[in-house]
Amino acid sequence: DTGVSQNPRHKITKRGQNVTFRCDPISEHNRLYWYRQTLGQGPEFLTYFQNEAQLEKSRLLSDRFSAERPKGSFSTLEIQRTEQGDSAMYLCASSLGIMGDSEKLFFGSGTQLSVL
Amino acid sequence: EDQVTQSPEALRLQEGESSSLNCSYTVSGLRGLFWYRQDPGKGPEFLFTLYSAGEEKEKERLKATLTKKESFLHITAPKPEDSATYLCAVQASLSGGYNKLIFGAGTRLAVHP
Repeated sequence: DTGVSQNPRHKITKRGQNVTFRCDPISEHNRLYWYRQTLGQGPEFLTYFQNEAQLEKSRLLSDRFSAERPKGSFSTLEIQRTEQGDSAMYLCASSLGIMGDSEKLFFGSGTQLSVL
Repeated sequence: EDQVTQSPEALRLQEGESSSLNCSYTVSGLRGLFWYRQDPGKGPEFLFTLYSAGEEKEKERLKATLTKKESFLHITAPKPEDSATYLCAVQASLSGGYNKLIFGAGTRLAVHP
């Protein structure tokens, strides 16, 4: 068990460019979450996958954001036409999904996005 | 609207000086309250889950308690390695059967030797 892995750790891009982040959850975990965290704030929920199905998207996730989890394994989060307001830490978390809904989440170290 | 408020925003302690962090919440049916620790540049690390008023959990120098409106994280005789941001989060009963957490902004704790 190597934990939740996120790549890249840091991404600097120019406004208007597209970026894609990858998350590899703990291998036996079937639940996967994306959160966003800005400086001095707690993480905010973005979206949730149960295996390959995306079951909820927050209203924070505008139509420029898309997330996928093909085959219920790794997940990608793409942001199109980035804006300066997209600058944040993007956190991925996973959980086992068989212990009830109040199980703990395991977070990755995040991808820090800076939009210039 | 479900909401979590943590206080203080920042706390500076001398090594060995015990204190408490507060997390007050309003939620439509509490399914669970979580405490996480976050180090700079890292993701949150799970500490405790509390489910009902009166419940307490301990881990080393940390003890978490829960009432109907708030939770406390008590830190006894802290050490410099306890320096981190401590995040509180709640899961509401209407969260859809999965763990969509609502986080507070956190308390930044600095413990000086």
